[in-house]
Amino acid sequence: DVKVTQSSRYLVKRTGEKVFLECVQDMDHENMFWYRQDPGLGLRLIYFSYDVKMKEKGDIPEGYSVSREKKERFSLILESASTNQTSMYLCASSFQTGGVRQYFGPGTRLTVT
Amino acid sequence: RKEVEQDPGPFNVPEGATVAFNCTYSNSASQSFFWYRQDCRKEPKLLMSVYSSGNEDGRFTAQLNRASQYISLLIRDSKLSDSATYLCVVNDNNNDMRFGAGTRLTVKP
Repeated sequence: DVKVTQSSRYLVKRTGEKVFLECVQDMDHENMFWYRQDPGLGLRLIYFSYDVKMKEKGDIPEGYSVSREKKERFSLILESASTNQTSMYLCASSFQTGGVRQYFGPGTRLTVT
Repeated sequence: RKEVEQDPGPFNVPEGATVAFNCTYSNSASQSFFWYRQDCRKEPKLLMSVYSSGNEDGRFTAQLNRASQYISLLIRDSKLSDSATYLCVVNDNNNDMRFGAGTRLTVKP
């Protein structure tokens, strides 16, 4: 069974703090993704990675960066958290590119005050 | 215009009812289509892929209409456990998965 884990379920940070969200998958998947989910907007892609040390911008990369030093781990970094980054953050992985199933982690609900 | 549009609902139906959701997409080059289910405060999980000829999985039937650019999900004999948000997902065979905002379903006893 594929397992995608995220470091925290709930996180509260202050404006201006640097925030790290960690994601780990145990299925040797090549591709990993970070989304944010907001009411009425659906999931929006922030960044994805198709290999170690590779990254591609998604639809809303501004204010975020990512790191993939190991195949199983994909980190999302908020350089200077702002209140408009309060959201649910979902990590996902898939074994290849193209229209294949993505497996999601449980999500991190981040509140920036 | 959003790339993937769904009626947000909520759809409130009694147990045993048949309910259908539609989802429209704007990119005519889209190749892969899915329905995901998301329970409250949980992550999305794949419910079923949608194939060109339509496909069925137990009480669930998915249809694709390429000409009109929509997909549908039909749930027969609704159960209380079907209560969830159903996400329509469309992909153009890149890593470009487009998610609808979801349709909320509540099945009542």
